[in-house]
Amino acid sequence: QLVQSGAEVKKPGESLKISCLASGYKFNIYWIGWVRQMPGKGLEWMGIIYPGDSETRYSPSFQGQVTISADKSITTAYLQWSSLQASDTAMYYCVRREQFWKNDAFDMWGQGTMVTVSS
Amino acid sequence: DIQMTQSPSTLSASVGDRVTITCRASQNINDLLAWYQQKPGKAPQLLIYKASTLESGVPSRFSGSGSGTEFTLTISSLQPDDFATYYCQHYSSYWTFGQGTKVEIK
Repeated sequence: QLVQSGAEVKKPGESLKISCLASGYKFNIYWIGWVRQMPGKGLEWMGIIYPGDSETRYSPSFQGQVTISADKSITTAYLQWSSLQASDTAMYYCVRREQFWKNDAFDMWGQGTMVTVSS
Repeated sequence: DIQMTQSPSTLSASVGDRVTITCRASQNINDLLAWYQQKPGKAPQLLIYKASTLESGVPSRFSGSGSGTEFTLTISSLQPDDFATYYCQHYSSYWTFGQGTKVEIK
């Protein structure tokens, strides 16, 4: 399962790092991604990391806006911002990419972390 | 980039109805399509992958079909637990979601 860190309330310009703890499977061999859902809106893929070697790919829409990392020693993936904006207010989900049998579908989802950015 | 377009955006239906949601790709994606269900306040869940393969634990009233550029998600007999928003998704270089279809109570 994927268990995410709790809700955050931040001010514009602040930094933030949220986490996603994986358990119950071999963390190193499955990509972990992040998906954004702005209030009342649809799902947007942000980026993904392979914990085995930390290879990372980003959606062009999010490249340079966020940083994805992972610590395989504690089976945890992270999503971080260096300077938050009000437009970053959203629910963020971590997901597991199933690249072996399910055509790269996201077969496991975290419960979501709500990030609110407001002055 | 491949675009995914779902229709309708909202669908009103009654318990027991047969419901069909369509997802169109802007170019041929073979069978590289997944469907997800999201209930209010909850994380999405995988329903179908490879266009037509049911995820483990998903009720058999759900089915997926199609290949190439046109795909459908069908619920054979709508149940109270099925009122939710449904998303299609494709992976090529990136993961792209459709805009979602909300299934409402009629």
